[in-house]
Amino acid sequence: QKEVEQNSGPLSVPEGAIASLNCTYSDRGSQSFFWYRQYSGKSPELIMSIYSNGDKEDGRFTAQLNKASQYVSLLIRDSQPSDSATYLCAVNMGYNQGGKLIFGQGTELSVKP
Amino acid sequence: DGGITQSPKYLFRKEGQNVTLSCEQNLNHDAMYWYRQDPGQGLRLIYYSQIVNDFQKGDIAEGYSVSREKKESFPLTVTSAQKNPTAFYLCASSIVGTSVTVLAKNIQYFGAGTRLSVL
Repeated sequence: QKEVEQNSGPLSVPEGAIASLNCTYSDRGSQSFFWYRQYSGKSPELIMSIYSNGDKEDGRFTAQLNKASQYVSLLIRDSQPSDSATYLCAVNMGYNQGGKLIFGQGTELSVKP
Repeated sequence: DGGITQSPKYLFRKEGQNVTLSCEQNLNHDAMYWYRQDPGQGLRLIYYSQIVNDFQKGDIAEGYSVSREKKESFPLTVTSAQKNPTAFYLCASSIVGTSVTVLAKNIQYFGAGTRLSVL
């Protein structure tokens, strides 16, 4: 089992719809979770971080964390064509592993006008 | 401007040649990281360093070497032993907390990347 696994893409949604991106992780000791957005040919940029169970909202983005189920998701409301990118889920492996991040393989999102 | 600068943007390597990728940061971050990204894949950790003059291997360190002589700089050398070096290389940096809680919330910020190809 991969340490961090994301739902396979590409994911295609119409403009204005909700895009749902999912990520599962294997290490129960993981303490913090991040979503990065990566446009084609560019480097990743952080869009959300979440540390506690529940929801965290920032504008059109909502991150959801369920540590019992080892699951983290990202919802994008009112999706725009500019949201078309690859979304990377990253999990912090904690103090004992030097705060390393483990990345999922990414989910490509395409928002159609 | 504060940030992470990677150079060059594009690099070509001849067979048997060692090449060095530069990464400089002026964010006063303690930790620096090197990742490799292959097409359609996530990021894989090559090396990381939490303090000057110290670094640790990541998941795919074979064929690579690093140094950390200054806090601001963490160059990566792709040696001739790396037989498949074509990839997008990303450098990142972060603070290093002294507490478990701070380190667990460690956010990494990325440079613009270097695209390495083999001639």
